[in-house]
Amino acid sequence: SAVISQKPSRDICQRGTSLTIQCQVDSQVTMMFWYRQQPGQSLTLIATANQGSEATYESGFVIDKFPISRPNLTFSTLTVSNMSPEDSSIYLCSVGGQRTEAFFGQGTRLTVV
Amino acid sequence: DQQVKQNSPSLSVQEGRISILNCDYTNSMFDYFLWYKKYPAEGPTFLISISSIKDKNEDGRFTVFLNKSAKHLSLHIVPSQPGDSAVYFCAASRTGSARQLTFGSGTQLTVLP
Repeated sequence: SAVISQKPSRDICQRGTSLTIQCQVDSQVTMMFWYRQQPGQSLTLIATANQGSEATYESGFVIDKFPISRPNLTFSTLTVSNMSPEDSSIYLCSVGGQRTEAFFGQGTRLTVV
Repeated sequence: DQQVKQNSPSLSVQEGRISILNCDYTNSMFDYFLWYKKYPAEGPTFLISISSIKDKNEDGRFTVFLNKSAKHLSLHIVPSQPGDSAVYFCAASRTGSARQLTFGSGTQLTVLP
């Protein structure tokens, strides 16, 4: 299983600002994924971070709001831009396992005030 | 449209008894199903999975049953232990989806000592 480290683990941000979340994996992986878990809700896929090309976004998520970088096979960042209180969520990085199961980082708990 | 549904937001079980968590799905293209456990302030942890070619998979105290005709799966935990208290998410994926997962809304399991 992959070991995934996310930074920061939590943050409180002012509305209108941006926060960049980092995800570091201890081995090279082809695909990395970013999920969001809003309070009391399930995990929703934001986008797939592709190395060497633009991220692939799910319906309802756009690059201007959630720009993603993937400079190499072990690292990715997700930026939450121009934040509003509705962006308060847990943001999770994940990578695929060998048999389709995904492994997750510990998450970043974001509160926008 | 929720493609993966967990209709019970919470479940309480006595220590030593069986816990049964249920999950329904609507997308017939799903062919791989997973259960994750999540503690507060941690990312989801993979628990057990099942391919659509099987109807049962067992790993220690955990057994997952799949009923394809009913589009229903369940997770059985026997015997339940207080350390099993967590939120359990059902997830599904389909071949060619690059291991992207669709999650249910989760069930909070509380095992009472």
